[in-house]
Amino acid sequence: EPEVTQTPSHQVTQMGQEVILRCVPISNHLYFYWYRQILGQKVEFLVSFYNNEISEKSEIFDDQFSVERPDGSNFTLKIRSTKLEDSAMYFCASTSQGRETQYFGPGTRLLVL
Amino acid sequence: RKEVEQDPGPFNVPEGATVAFNCTYSNSASQSFFWYRQDCRKEPKLLMSVYSSGNEDGRFTAQLNRASQYISLLIRDSKLSDSATYLCVVNNYGQNFVFGPGTRLSVLP
Repeated sequence: EPEVTQTPSHQVTQMGQEVILRCVPISNHLYFYWYRQILGQKVEFLVSFYNNEISEKSEIFDDQFSVERPDGSNFTLKIRSTKLEDSAMYFCASTSQGRETQYFGPGTRLLVL
Repeated sequence: RKEVEQDPGPFNVPEGATVAFNCTYSNSASQSFFWYRQDCRKEPKLLMSVYSSGNEDGRFTAQLNRASQYISLLIRDSKLSDSATYLCVVNNYGQNFVFGPGTRLSVLP
């Protein structure tokens, strides 16, 4: 069964450093998403991406965040200058059609020290 | 009012019990509705989509009441493996999916 994959599974970084989280969505999917979940809290939408551009973004997704689909398979989330409060689990998801079932990757646990 | 609200939980039930979860959403223009389950420190996984006519998948039944902006999930004959957090998810517009805070279920032997 096709699945969304994410790397790395864990990342520890110093405050102020840049991090890039990587995702490989399901191959025939067209819509891609990033979410974050702070420990003990709910899953929060960050951004959606379709046709090589951002289609929606939340208030959380400020200028420190960017997304890219550098090739036909990878979908990346970059945090330019990490803050302590960026520590969370980051999930990538994809779907074949908008508003339909999303398939989530296993997540990257980011810890900012 | 929060966009998506759920029963605060946790729910602790014995094996074999029937348990119901409730979810309300604030945006009357919401388009799509889903129940996901999330195991501890894992990714959300789709349990079922929720349709206006209601739908059933084995021991799981989902209902949607658009007039009341209310979604429910019923689990019959609960199993130990049903222990998880159940997430109500609503798509309001475009590609914005809003997650509820989740309701934790523990099924006890």
